[in-house]
Amino acid sequence: EAGVVQSPRYKIIEKKQPVAFWCNPISGHNTLYWYLQNLGQGPELLIRYENEEAVDDSQLPKDRFSAERLKGVDSTLKIQPAELGDSAVYLCASSLAPPRNEQFFGPGTRLTVL
Amino acid sequence: DAKTTQPPSMDCAEGRAANLPCNHSTISGNEYVYWYRQIHSQGPQYIIHGLKNNETNEMASLIITEDRKSSTLILPHATLRDTAVYYCIVTPNSGYSTLTFGKGTMLLVSP
Repeated sequence: EAGVVQSPRYKIIEKKQPVAFWCNPISGHNTLYWYLQNLGQGPELLIRYENEEAVDDSQLPKDRFSAERLKGVDSTLKIQPAELGDSAVYLCASSLAPPRNEQFFGPGTRLTVL
Repeated sequence: DAKTTQPPSMDCAEGRAANLPCNHSTISGNEYVYWYRQIHSQGPQYIIHGLKNNETNEMASLIITEDRKSSTLILPHATLRDTAVYYCIVTPNSGYSTLTFGKGTMLLVSP
């Protein structure tokens, strides 16, 4: 069974440029998560989708971050414009519906903003 | 969500058991204890979870104290590939649970 796929694995951009990350969850997983992980810290939730609906985006900085999951399968997270402080690893995860709440994570995208 | 306390780092010799403690003294009755680990440059990986009974799977065992205020993750025969950051998380298992990660414990398994 294929795991959660993310691309690109690495991205280097200059500040003020836009950037987008793509995630394809495990087949059949209705719930999709985007996390941000700073160096030396645990992941922090940015947004959670149930199918195509964003049900928890309280931690998403909406002035520059946006996300979509148009057909309830793959998802894109965008930053526009990027700032130096956005340098981090962006992780995508997916899970089945409750009570199976185990989350399966992708390898992440490491973003460096110069 | 209840908070957890874990030691920042631990060492273990290869082939020995690794016992990783977690304190969750403010855990609520409906909250489960989850363990994930994160190997360098990879995403977190689910290990095991439990409510109040001890649990075992192919990866590890989870021992939860009777008062549920602490737990221990046991890797019975640690290998070099078990070197990772281990996260202990408490979260309700009703509905869609949110994982709140702390800094975890960095386990270093040495030859």
